[in-house]
Amino acid sequence: QKEVEQDPGPLSVPEGAIVSLNCTYSNSAFQYFMWYRQYSRKGPELLMYTYSSGNKEDGRFTAQVDKSSKYISLFIRDSQPSDSATYLCAMTPGNMLTFGGGTRLMVKP
Amino acid sequence: NAGVTQTPKFQVLKTGQSMTLQCAQDMNHNSMYWYRQDPGMGLRLIYYSASEGTTDKGEVPNGYNVSRLNKREFSLRLESAAPSQTSVYFCASVRTGGLGGYTFGSGTRLTVV
Repeated sequence: QKEVEQDPGPLSVPEGAIVSLNCTYSNSAFQYFMWYRQYSRKGPELLMYTYSSGNKEDGRFTAQVDKSSKYISLFIRDSQPSDSATYLCAMTPGNMLTFGGGTRLMVKP
Repeated sequence: NAGVTQTPKFQVLKTGQSMTLQCAQDMNHNSMYWYRQDPGMGLRLIYYSASEGTTDKGEVPNGYNVSRLNKREFSLRLESAAPSQTSVYFCASVRTGGLGGYTFGSGTRLTVV
């Protein structure tokens, strides 16, 4: 079993929809949680960074961490075609990152 | 602001050939990493360098070697390329450990025929 599990998708939604992307993990030592966005043929770029449990909002994006359930989420409001990409979750106890496999999101106009 | 620069962007090798992938960062980061990304496998760590002068194996080091030339540069060498090494290779750097998130390069697409 992988330390970090992420549904690969693809997830296809209409423009304007609310998108929910999720990861589960097994290592209770993870303290820092991140979401990366990767466009086709590009490197991953950091989208959201959170520490411990709770919510963090940045524009249309909200990252949520539930350490008791070992579950993290990324919500995208008013999704746009430009949000079409692969989203990777990542987490660390404070040293190296462990990545999920990524979820491919397609937002259709 | 270049960030993390990888060269080359594309490469085709014949089985048994050798090559070096170059990576340089201009953010004064201490730690640098080499990943490969394959469909359905996600990002897998090949080697990393926690600080200048140190290197360590990651999850999939076989067939690769690395050199941390200085604080800015971290190269990945394939001594005898195999078709199983066909992949997209990403270099990343971070200030210290994993805190603050990694900055990735744009990748090198390598095909071994």
